[in-house]
Formats: sequence, C-alpha cells, structure tokens
Amino acid sequence: EIVLTQSPGTLSLSPGERATLSCRASLSISSIYLAWYQQKPGQAPRLLIYGASSRATGIPDRFSGSGSGTDFTLTISGLESEDSAVYYCQQYGGSHITFGQGTRLEIK
Amino acid sequence: EVQLVESGGGLVQPGRSLRLSCAASGFTFDNYAMHWVRQAPGKGLEWVSGIDWNSGNTDYADSVKGRFTISRDNARNSLYLQMNSLRAEDTALYYCAKGWAHFYRYYCVDVWGRGTTVTVSS
Repeated sequence: EIVLTQSPGTLSLSPGERATLSCRASLSISSIYLAWYQQKPGQAPRLLIYGASSRATGIPDRFSGSGSGTDFTLTISGLESEDSAVYYCQQYGGSHITFGQGTRLEIK
Repeated sequence: EVQLVESGGGLVQPGRSLRLSCAASGFTFDNYAMHWVRQAPGKGLEWVSGIDWNSGNTDYADSVKGRFTISRDNARNSLYLQMNSLRAEDTALYYCAKGWAHFYRYYCVDVWGRGTTVTVSS
C-alpha cells in the first residue's frame, strides 16, 4: 500500500499570500494518479486537482498542482479567507486508494 | 445537479451489523464506479471500498476486508455497504462518492455525498 505523507501539518498565512502544501509518496506513482481535495468544517471533501495538475470543474486558477514521482505540491496563490480548510492528497494508482493525513490551512 | 444521499447510519453494538445506502441522482449512475470513504471523528479520510460500474470488480481496505460488502443496484440508482462484525474503530462518518469513470481503479473520486454517521458502542 502506498503511504502519502503531507507537510506541514498546519499552515497559518495571511490573505494574499501563497500557500505551498507538500505530499510525498512512499513509492513512485504516475502523476496521472494523484489528486487533491479541500474539506471545510462540516462539509464533504471537494475535488480540486486530478492528474497532479488538472483543475476540476469550477476550481479557480489560484489553485495549481505539480509534481512527479514521489513529490507533489498544491499551490494556492492570492489566499482568501474562504481557503481556510483541510487539504488532502490522494493516490489512486496503487492496489488501494490512499489519502494523506491532511494539511490544515488557516487564514489569519 | 449530481446528488448523493446516504442513509442507514446509527448507533450499533460491537459485533452487530448495519447496512448503509446511497441514493444517486443527477447523472447516469450505471456509467460510473462508486466508492465508500469514511472519516473517524477528528481524523482524516480513509478509503473503504470501491465497485465498478457493472459490479464486475470490487475491492476493500484491509481494515474491513471480510467484514464489509459493497454492492449496487443500477436499476434503483443505489449503492450499498453491508457492514458485519462491527468494531469500535469502525465509528466514523461514511461518505458515498462517485468515481470519475467506469472503473474504481485508476480514477479519482469527483463527487461526494454529505455522509451518514455510524457509531459502534455498547
């Protein structure tokens, strides 16, 4: 089973700044099998990025994904208060789907 | 609008069974794989099970294999999760989720329901 490790655990930034969230896989995975989700308190997760870098429908271009092999990154530019949430990476190319443990993004 | 509505959660004693249901609407249900994903209180997301569009293939997380069974009824646009021999560690919010394509493997989840809560306690 592929283990995904996200860092940092918590990120606290101000509006307008850029957030960089990391997801590291225990084994190399094809970038086409990496997704990012956003979960706000009391809500279901929402798909942001699939295939490591493709934005899902309706996702603003402030959200971008990159990476390959074992290292992937979600970047959120021009932070807004509504971006406060927990962000999860997910891989779906291994024997089982797995998620990272999440990064909590706080907007000051 | 794509909608997934889960039901069937509740309080159950350890060792007992529970069956979750998910009613789908707003898309052609029998064209897509479906999944169950759970989230323990205050914890992260854990994939539980997936099923192909035609029930041809299913798979389970090691933590539930042999105890849980996923199934679907395409005529009723419904997904199910039969949970047997429940344990305290199965306590979680259970999400029904739509796969991106026909097959549960190699495609992400793109739409989630709001979840149904399962509490396993004596």
